[in-house]
Amino acid sequence: KQEVTQIPAALSVPEGENLVLNCSFTDSAIYNLQWFRQDPGKGLTSLLLIQSSQREQTSGRLNASLDKSSGRSTLYIAASQPGDSATYLCAVIASGTYKYIFGTGTRLKVLA
Amino acid sequence: NAGVTQTPKFRVLKTGQSMTLLCAQDMNHEYMYWYRQDPGMGLRLIHYSVGEGTTAKGEVPDGYNVSRLKKQNFLLGLESAAPSQTSVYFCASNIAGGLTDTQYFGPGTRLTVL
Repeated sequence: KQEVTQIPAALSVPEGENLVLNCSFTDSAIYNLQWFRQDPGKGLTSLLLIQSSQREQTSGRLNASLDKSSGRSTLYIAASQPGDSATYLCAVIASGTYKYIFGTGTRLKVLA
Repeated sequence: NAGVTQTPKFRVLKTGQSMTLLCAQDMNHEYMYWYRQDPGMGLRLIHYSVGEGTTAKGEVPDGYNVSRLKKQNFLLGLESAAPSQTSVYFCASNIAGGLTDTQYFGPGTRLTVL
């Protein structure tokens, strides 16, 4: 059974720091991996999607990498800002399914 | 485009009552999903649909039923609500099952069962 884990559960950093969020999954047979952002009381917003054949994706200050063989992904946020404060979730789609399996998220707080 | 909308936004039920949550999307997406989100447990898939007239069970389907009579709507029903169903419910949709595209989420429905 596919399981997705995110460590740490919470993170607090000063503004301007570069930071890395981690996501690990137990089964390497995936179609893709996605990173989402969730603001308090809101739905999820997609940040980056990495296909299983890709190694990384970039959008602005965000860079996500994927190492399928080791079952790991990282989300790198450069020059963090208070507006980046949110919960970040990763999710995978297991091969042969249309079902997303989500991690429990990392709650990020960027201090001004 | 309104995207994905959910009705209602909040609801309080008594144990044993029934209700239906409505999800609507105006993006002509084939795939639609219902999730529940509980503290410390992430999002868990309840049911999903790969097209009009189809439904399938997800990870936690017990106590819920769904219907997809129209492509743009996906209904989630609770026939006899239990306190364990207190949660935030999210609907989502995408074009191609997420294989090459992302999911779009609604704003959520916060349900409390007393």
